[in-house]
Amino acid sequence: SQTIHQWPATLVQPVGSPLSLECTVEGTSNPNLYWYRQAAGRGLQLLFYSVGIGQISSEVPQNLSASRPQDRQFILSSKKLLLSDSGFYLCAWSVQWGYEQYFGPGTRLTVT
Amino acid sequence: AQSVTQPDIHITVSEGASLELRCNYSYGATPYLFWYVQSPGQGLQLLLKYFSGDTLVQGIKGFEAEFKRSQSSFNLRKPSVHWSDAAEYFCAVGARNYGQNFVFGPGTRLSVLP
Repeated sequence: SQTIHQWPATLVQPVGSPLSLECTVEGTSNPNLYWYRQAAGRGLQLLFYSVGIGQISSEVPQNLSASRPQDRQFILSSKKLLLSDSGFYLCAWSVQWGYEQYFGPGTRLTVT
Repeated sequence: AQSVTQPDIHITVSEGASLELRCNYSYGATPYLFWYVQSPGQGLQLLLKYFSGDTLVQGIKGFEAEFKRSQSSFNLRKPSVHWSDAAEYFCAVGARNYGQNFVFGPGTRLSVLP
């Protein structure tokens, strides 16, 4: 069966510090991968998606970036965090475009 | 572009009562439709999905949803709510064509009274 992992589970970082969140998927090949952000009490905002290694599409201009160095690894990064980057970050995967997405447990990021 | 609306921001029901959460979508063709549930501080869990065929779909945890093309709706139902069903529920639309993104509704928060 497939599983998706995210780490860390929680993170507290000062403004201006770098960020690296990691997501890995097991049990499948060539998945579509997604990063979402969920602000407190809000819905989901798609940040990035990837349909293959090295292929990243950005949905929202911001100071975040994403990379996919391996087939089942998706990384969300920032060089300098802003207060507005605080939120709950969710990674997800799907077997095919438009099909159901399966979500990881999320990372709670607090920028102070 | 597709869109999803969930008219109810917050619903409160008594334990044992029936439940219906509303979802309306806008899409040029028959979409893929999904319902997810999210407990506080956790990721989203898929409850059920509709791709084609029978318009009444069964999901996990006793939930079902009905696709009504004429009303562009995909409402979620449960005959008897349990206290553990208290959570946030999201309806989502998946586009069949690459380039059109998966879209989530804003969510409906369900509270359950003992």
